[in-house]
Amino acid sequence: AQSVTQPDIHITVSEGASLELRCNYSYGATPYLFWYVQSPGQGLQLLLKYFSGDTLVQGIKGFEAEFKRSQSSFNLRKPSVHWSDAAEYFCAVGDMNRDDKIIFGKGTRLHILP
Amino acid sequence: DAGVTQSPTHLIKTRGQHVTLRCSPISGHKSVSWYQQVLGQGPQFIFQYYEKEERGRGNFPDRFSARQFPNYSSELNVNALLLGDSALYLCASSARVYNEQFFGPGTRLTVL
Repeated sequence: AQSVTQPDIHITVSEGASLELRCNYSYGATPYLFWYVQSPGQGLQLLLKYFSGDTLVQGIKGFEAEFKRSQSSFNLRKPSVHWSDAAEYFCAVGDMNRDDKIIFGKGTRLHILP
Repeated sequence: DAGVTQSPTHLIKTRGQHVTLRCSPISGHKSVSWYQQVLGQGPQFIFQYYEKEERGRGNFPDRFSARQFPNYSSELNVNALLLGDSALYLCASSARVYNEQFFGPGTRLTVL
């Protein structure tokens, strides 16, 4: 069965520091991969997606992610975080073979120190 | 352009009651999906509808049902509410199946 693992429940970084959020997935075929961000009380905003092609994907707000098939990983990175990046981040895999559902990880809460 | 809209924003119900949540997709989008997000967890897939037909169902009891209307808007119905149904219910739309999904702001349901 498809699944997504985000091993870090909470991460704290200082403003201006670099960031990497980890994500591992389990999926039988070539996956559709996503990173979403959710601010408190808000819906989900798509940061970036990988469907095929270049394994380094650029997204909005200065985020990027790299698809590594050999490691079943899709880690999210940002070279310098801003206080406004504090939010919940969800990695997800798209089960596009049948019913188009998206399977989410449990999320990583990002805290920013001033 | 307007994004996905959901109503109501917040809702408080008591156990055993019934609730209907509504979703309007982005104009031109024909697919609507519903997700449940319990506090502290990632969203979980409930249903997907495309062209008014159910295309997928998650692991939820029969108390949960949904439908899609000719204008592609959708309703999610939950009967015999339980305390555990308290959650943020998210609707997502996409132009067609196997396409990027855009999420609405959600409906916060509290069951007392």
